[in-house]
Amino acid sequence: SQELEQSPQSLIVQEGKNLTINCTSSKTLYGLYWYKQKYGEGLIFLMMLQKGGEEKSHEKITAKLDEKKQQSSLHITASQPSHAGIYLCGADSSYGKLTFGQGTILTVHP
Amino acid sequence: SAVISQKPSRDICQRGTSLTIQCQVDSQVTMMFWYRQQPGQSLTLIATANQGSEATYESGFVIDKFPISRPNLTFSTLTVSNMSPEDSSIYLCSVNPYDRGDEQYFGPGTRLTVT
Repeated sequence: SQELEQSPQSLIVQEGKNLTINCTSSKTLYGLYWYKQKYGEGLIFLMMLQKGGEEKSHEKITAKLDEKKQQSSLHITASQPSHAGIYLCGADSSYGKLTFGQGTILTVHP
Repeated sequence: SAVISQKPSRDICQRGTSLTIQCQVDSQVTMMFWYRQQPGQSLTLIATANQGSEATYESGFVIDKFPISRPNLTFSTLTVSNMSPEDSSIYLCSVNPYDRGDEQYFGPGTRLTVT
């Protein structure tokens, strides 16, 4: 079965700083999703990557999938308190069947 | 995108009872998915619900414990039966509105506490 490992597990940054969250898969990724979750709430879809070397951006968040399709990174530029939450990567094994990493807790201090 | 609503948003239940969670989507979708997020853990897929057929359960989950209904293309229910404190979790439904595997949306979740 596919396993995803996220690093770091938690991250505390000062507002305005850049940060990166990594997601490494035990198998080739055929679809990699990034979500943000506020504590105790549902998941907010950020973006999905499929092709090796693909990069997508939404506002100040950029996600990349490496050429070998086994690692993805999520980069936040000039972080804000609104970016705080839990970031989850999910690997798509079949449409809708996602395996998730353990999550990265992001805290942004004003 | 897809707008997904769940009812109830949270509940506190006694052990041995059952709770049915509803999931409503604003568009017709082929498959609906039910996930569980135990405290401090990531999400785990429980089952896939297709309209007109029995749900398909993932390893470790059984129909007797988590019966699912899918009466139409916009609605599904998940029942958590004979609950124990170990069932305390957030239960989320999810859809892929375009059936093409590039956007997967989740509902707001149902926070269940079993005492």
